[in-house]
Amino acid sequence: DSGVTQTPKHLITATGQRVTLRCSPRSGDLSVYWYQQSLDQGLQFLIQYYNGEERAKGNILERFSAQQFPDLHSELNLSSLELGDSALYFCASSPDRAVYEQYFGPGTRLTVT
Amino acid sequence: DAKTTQPNSMESNEEEPVHLPCNHSTISGTDYIHWYRQLPSQGPEYVIHGLTSNVNNRMASLAIAEDRKSSTLILHRATLRDAAVYYCILRDLYNFNKFYFGSGTKLNVKP
Repeated sequence: DSGVTQTPKHLITATGQRVTLRCSPRSGDLSVYWYQQSLDQGLQFLIQYYNGEERAKGNILERFSAQQFPDLHSELNLSSLELGDSALYFCASSPDRAVYEQYFGPGTRLTVT
Repeated sequence: DAKTTQPNSMESNEEEPVHLPCNHSTISGTDYIHWYRQLPSQGPEYVIHGLTSNVNNRMASLAIAEDRKSSTLILHRATLRDAAVYYCILRDLYNFNKFYFGSGTKLNVKP
């Protein structure tokens, strides 16, 4: 158990819909990272937040957005969902920005039908 | 972007050492070498990292070539629980967007 929690575990929704994925980092960790893992593209970095502020952006679509709240939990919002957005979404956390180790949550499996 | 090359799969016998290679010929001076592994149906798990010198921890050892263009993750005694996909990743200390996982090596451990 990494100490990172993600909810929900599974999510099934229809194309065009909007969903919110939630992540609670390990106690004391200030950085949160979001990743997408699909069968054809492997593990892709989406975005990083540090203590409430966006710090780095990866391959995140404009239809996706994220935020980190004062209690350090984070939410990833996915809108206008397409079939290709079906994937595992992982959250990871680390104590600071200059991360050496990231601790990954168990993931949320999103299925868009 | 500096990227890594790993064999798609490897096989090992239980309780024998495993050497997982990684090539990163375009590594830059500020790139750290990280290894993560992903067990089936789980999130990735940190294994080890290094910059220039060889590193050891309770899980594994990391041997880094003198020119830093390749590295090897060493599992000293493979167990069935070590069957996973192993990712060799370069992370630039100052540019997180260069954190690229790649396709990894799927390690199969035979009893």
